[in-house]
Amino acid sequence: GQQLNQSPQSMFIQEGEDVSMNCTSSSIFNTWLWYKQDPGEGPVLLIALYKAGELTSNGRLTAQFGITRKDSFLNISASIPSDVGIYFCAGQNYGGSQGNLIFGKGTKLSVKP
Amino acid sequence: NAGVTQTPKFRVLKTGQSMTLLCAQDMNHEYMYWYRQDPGMGLRLIHYSVGEGTTAKGEVPDGYNVSRLKKQNFLLGLESAAPSQTSVYFCASSYSRAGMRNNEQFFGPGTRLTVL
Repeated sequence: GQQLNQSPQSMFIQEGEDVSMNCTSSSIFNTWLWYKQDPGEGPVLLIALYKAGELTSNGRLTAQFGITRKDSFLNISASIPSDVGIYFCAGQNYGGSQGNLIFGKGTKLSVKP
Repeated sequence: NAGVTQTPKFRVLKTGQSMTLLCAQDMNHEYMYWYRQDPGMGLRLIHYSVGEGTTAKGEVPDGYNVSRLKKQNFLLGLESAAPSQTSVYFCASSYSRAGMRNNEQFFGPGTRLTVL
């Protein structure tokens, strides 16, 4: 089945720094999504991307849908302590079981105060 | 508006015991999903439902059964629990499934299950 490679697996950054993470796939997706999971909680959608090349922002977060449709990037600017958590990318296609989400393994973000 | 709720929050089972996890949503969503989350594995789909009375297998369905007798509820059953089923289980729901801009999946808070 389809698999997503998400990197980095974890990162420590200084408060105020910018963060970048990405997700790649061996096959194409029609939709890319980025979720954040806080400890003890379920994932929450941050950004959804529906078109190749699309660049979308949500506050300090910016995500892009790669032109090849096989990758996506998430950037966080000026990180703050509440950015700590696990960030998941997810890909989705249309129709039948392909409508299900395929999740990456997550990027664990830790911020040094 | 509670969103997606899950019961119980925690459970410890012995090998061979059975249990049912309950998921409820009050958003009138058609689609519901059960995932498991293991360390370093991300979320993997167990079963899903595209409407009341329907269920379908996801990526890792073995050892689990589901039922969707009412639109707002989606039950996940373990008939004979095994240590490999120790995991955190998440339920999610969505208005639509794919290709539409309002297909966001809303997740519950999770159920942490340990099988000894």
